[in-house]
Amino acid sequence: NAGVMQNPRHLVRRRGQEARLRCSPMKGHSHVYWYRQLPEEGLKFMVYLQKENIIDESGMPKERFSAEFPKEGPSILRIQQVVRGDSAAYFCASSHRTGLSGNTIYFGEGSWLTVV
Amino acid sequence: AQKVTQAQTEISVVEKEDVTLDCVYETRDTTYYLFWYKQPPSGELVFLIRRNSFDEQNEISGRYSWNFQKSTSSFNFTITASQVVDSAVYFCALSEGTNTGNQFYFGTGTSLTVIP
Repeated sequence: NAGVMQNPRHLVRRRGQEARLRCSPMKGHSHVYWYRQLPEEGLKFMVYLQKENIIDESGMPKERFSAEFPKEGPSILRIQQVVRGDSAAYFCASSHRTGLSGNTIYFGEGSWLTVV
Repeated sequence: AQKVTQAQTEISVVEKEDVTLDCVYETRDTTYYLFWYKQPPSGELVFLIRRNSFDEQNEISGRYSWNFQKSTSSFNFTITASQVVDSAVYFCALSEGTNTGNQFYFGTGTSLTVIP
């Protein structure tokens, strides 16, 4: 499967725990994006990363959320001290290149986080 | 202000009927890109089409067609002879030319149910 790979698909955490979501971009893609889909809402941009760099994190909550895309390995979206409002689907996407807008981004299957 | 508006929250049609999903966007950029994605019940997001602002030619792909009209800032999506497998949530998205982060703005989606 050469598509964007996300894991876990489903994650249940108790309030106060940490959630780690992983994303491996499509083969040949070096740009990763994270989006969040709250129930009954569209997708909201969170962060855009290239290898070892955060390019745009304007959509990330100021606290508890962080993202990285190391030189080796998948991109990680980390949510510390989760609260019920963090329950959502988190989608990772990747593109071949950017710097310019309009490049098609291809999504993974999403990671559904449930905070109990 | 919402950059992408999908006024139709839910639509139900009987199989073989045609259905049009509306998308209205708002941007001040002269260069921008419009997208449609499909989210079937399994949850993944499937890329359908990408159009740039300089190409108003309508596009047809099998039973799918897209009508891009800059004069009304609309990018509507029509499914001809709908099938049960078309049942999904459809998202329209906008990427603006001045956005170096390639951030996509998504509408809230239209949930289409095709009744057999």
